[in-house]
This record gives sequence, structure tokens and C-alpha cells, in this order.
Amino acid sequence: DAGVTQSPTHLIKTRGQQVTLRCSPKSGHDTVSWYQQALGQGPQFIFQYYEEEERQRGNFPDRFSGHQFPNYSSELNVNALLLGDSALYLCASSRQVQETQYFGPGTRLLVL
Amino acid sequence: AQTVTQSQPEMSVQEAETVTLSCTYDTSESDYYLFWYKQPPSRQMILVIRQEAYKQQNATENRFSVNFQKAAKSFSLKISDSQLGDAAMYFCAYRSLYSGAGSYQLTFGKGTKLSVIP
Repeated sequence: DAGVTQSPTHLIKTRGQQVTLRCSPKSGHDTVSWYQQALGQGPQFIFQYYEEEERQRGNFPDRFSGHQFPNYSSELNVNALLLGDSALYLCASSRQVQETQYFGPGTRLLVL
Repeated sequence: AQTVTQSQPEMSVQEAETVTLSCTYDTSESDYYLFWYKQPPSRQMILVIRQEAYKQQNATENRFSVNFQKAAKSFSLKISDSQLGDAAMYFCAYRSLYSGAGSYQLTFGKGTKLSVIP
């Protein structure tokens, strides 16, 4: 049973660039949530997707956007990258919005 | 808004001994979920244990158990017979039970780094 997968594992970008991170949910899951984890901190909720729509959003600017595809996989897009966007980006999936979330291994983004 | 506090940035335990990690939270809700997640150096966040606030019985998963004190808003994790593989960051997290704005997001503490001494 495949767990949550994310790609790429590491990414280096420069300020002002745009980045796309990808997530495939665990088999049988239809909901994807994205979190940002800065160094030494707990994860912070970015947004959640269910039925290809953004259902909830945390306190993140509009530079952060996402998408969910019919196969439940999801993308996180960040535009106009800032140095402060350097972090581990975690994807979590669940069987519907109210169920327990299971995490992927994350994508480490470094913005120079 | 809910907040989660983990007051122990670092803890250490001797192999085969028992250690307790602390977590307190603040909420005005009466029903909610609490979680402990483990994040080893590999970075993957792994669910350790889940507690429903409406259940009085403390959750247990093998060597891991919790002490849930609802009135005190305390949710500690006890690890028995500690093993080298238990070394990791441990995060306490809160989630609302009912639907509503922001209800299904996890709110995390800052984590406790656990070291296991051979």
C-alpha cells in the first residue's frame, strides 16, 4: 500500500522565481492538505483540497496557490519566491476532510 | 484560535527507560482531536497516537500511551522501554472535531527533540 509521495525531494530556487511542488495521496484518500515547516518550528497549515476545490486556507498570502486533480493528486505553487519561503513543505492526505492526516516525506525548498 | 505548547525543547532518555513528553493546549471547544506525531531525521511525519477528547479512556499504541487531562488541557506522551529508533522530534497537534472555518487543519506545537542514549 503506497503511502503519500512528494516530488521533488529537494529544490533550490532564487528570489522572484516560481516553484511547483507535487503530492500523490495515499491509496484510498481523497483529501490533500499542505503545510510549511520552517527550520526548528512545527508545521503551519497552508490549505486543504477536497473534490478539486480549496476548502480551507491558513494565513498565507495569495502567492501560495494550489490545485487538485481528478486522481486526487495535488500541486502547490509559490510565486515571487522570498528568502523566507525556504522551508520543508509537507503534504498530508486523508480519507475525506475530517479523517486523520498522513504525511509524505516532504520537499525541502531553499530560496537563495 | 487554538494554540499548542510544548515546553520541553529537548529531552533525553536512557535506552529501555521510560520518558514523558508534555503538551498543553488552549481551546474553547469541547470536542476535538489530539495527536502525537514523530518526525525522525528522514523528515517524514509519522502518526504515533490519536486521542478523541470525548473519550475518557487514554489512548495506547504498544509502547506509547497518553495521559489526557481535559480539564487541565494537558496531553502528555509516555514512551515505555525506549528504543534507539524512538529518537526524533515529537510534535503535539490539535484538530477540531466539527466542521467550520479552519476546523480540519492541524495546529502543531514547536516540538520536542528526543534523544535516546544507548
